[in-house]
Amino acid sequence: AQRVTQPEKLLSVFKGAPVELKCNYSYSGSPELFWYVQYSRQRLQLLLRHISRESIKGFTADLNKGETSFHLKKPFAQEEDSAMYYCALRKSNYQLIWGAGTKLIIKP
Amino acid sequence: SQTIHQWPATLVQPVGSPLSLECTVEGTSNPNLYWYRQAAGRGLQLLFYSVGIGQISSEVPQNLSASRPQDRQFILSSKKLLLSDSGFYLCAWSVASRAEQYFGPGTRLTVT
Repeated sequence: AQRVTQPEKLLSVFKGAPVELKCNYSYSGSPELFWYVQYSRQRLQLLLRHISRESIKGFTADLNKGETSFHLKKPFAQEEDSAMYYCALRKSNYQLIWGAGTKLIIKP
Repeated sequence: SQTIHQWPATLVQPVGSPLSLECTVEGTSNPNLYWYRQAAGRGLQLLFYSVGIGQISSEVPQNLSASRPQDRQFILSSKKLLLSDSGFYLCAWSVASRAEQYFGPGTRLTVT
């Protein structure tokens, strides 16, 4: 079955500490994964995609096919990183399967 | 550049009343269009998607329906709202054959 799991509903870390938002997937084909972010009172927006191997706002995510994971990481959290984060997996028909989301709170 | 609009931003409706939420996209042609419901702690639930005018696929049987009367217009409707229809509704678009989706600002619906 195709599935995306974000095991943490809430993650709270102090400013300056490292952040890791977990995402695990189940997919029989070649996965294409994304991270989306929703800041308070803003629309849901694409943060990064694994095929681009990019770093956006200091965040990176590496696809680990062996562990079927796509964790989102940032070495030093900033208060403006507080938001809701969603991991998503592309299906064969180009639709997305969504994780339940993780609310990230950065404490000052 | 492409933009996506949704209205209204908020809506309070009594049980049993009809519903019409509208979504329009600018700056692109023949987009794939999506309606989602976003619930706290449950992620995004895909309700409907459309790959072209008049082509609607429903993901979840429910009290809602969708229509696409024009290429860049997507409408979410109900004939009679239920309390359980309350929620945050998101419209999104994507380029055909690409997975990245781009979201509108959403509509907060409260059924009383």
